[in-house]
Amino acid sequence: DQQVKQNSPSLSVQEGRISILNCDYTNSMFDYFLWYKKYPAEGPTFLISISSIKDKNEDGRFTVFLNKSAKHLSLHIVPSQPGDSAVYFCAASALGATNKLIFGTGTLLAVQP
Amino acid sequence: NAGVTQTPKFQVLKTGQSMTLQCAQDMNHEYMSWYRQDPGMGLRLIHYSVGAGITDQGEVPNGYNVSRSTTEDFPLRLLSAAPSQTSVYFCASSYSGTASTSGRAADTQYFGPGTRLTVL
Repeated sequence: DQQVKQNSPSLSVQEGRISILNCDYTNSMFDYFLWYKKYPAEGPTFLISISSIKDKNEDGRFTVFLNKSAKHLSLHIVPSQPGDSAVYFCAASALGATNKLIFGTGTLLAVQP
Repeated sequence: NAGVTQTPKFQVLKTGQSMTLQCAQDMNHEYMSWYRQDPGMGLRLIHYSVGAGITDQGEVPNGYNVSRSTTEDFPLRLLSAAPSQTSVYFCASSYSGTASTSGRAADTQYFGPGTRLTVL
């Protein structure tokens, strides 16, 4: 069973507009969430994270929102740039199993110039 | 710093052959891990290590062996390759729980470029 789900395999947005990537989770023990970005033929790179004690974390153009009651998080990119085109993975870890990251299946973001 | 390096970049094996995927990091990270990435499955944790001499299983450990004799190296061994092991393999490393920003070892991991393995 997929504990971390990214239901949109792909997303296309225009340059300068907002990109919103979504992620849902089922395990209520998850208490730390991350987003990784991956370009083709490269390994994933860490983008931004959020602890379950917060509902928002911002880093430049990237903001992650967490809705614990809905078990949902989202990544907002504003404004979107062509260089943001990549696969974005949502990941989560649980208190008591902090050595293990559970990843979603990824969303391919294409930012059109 | 070279970061996390993986060799080889590509490998083709026949069913039943054995091989070792190499992973090294020069950041003095205590935590290292191996993932496989398959279409529609995301990244799945195979094995991880929280320090030299200590390893543990992840989500999909069957068919793989690991050891950690030094801080720098964390090789992944396939003893008898099967077509189901065709995948892209990523090695990653991070600080230990006490040294990382979040206080947790596995969170802000640095990934290598990957090894694309095909088993015929």
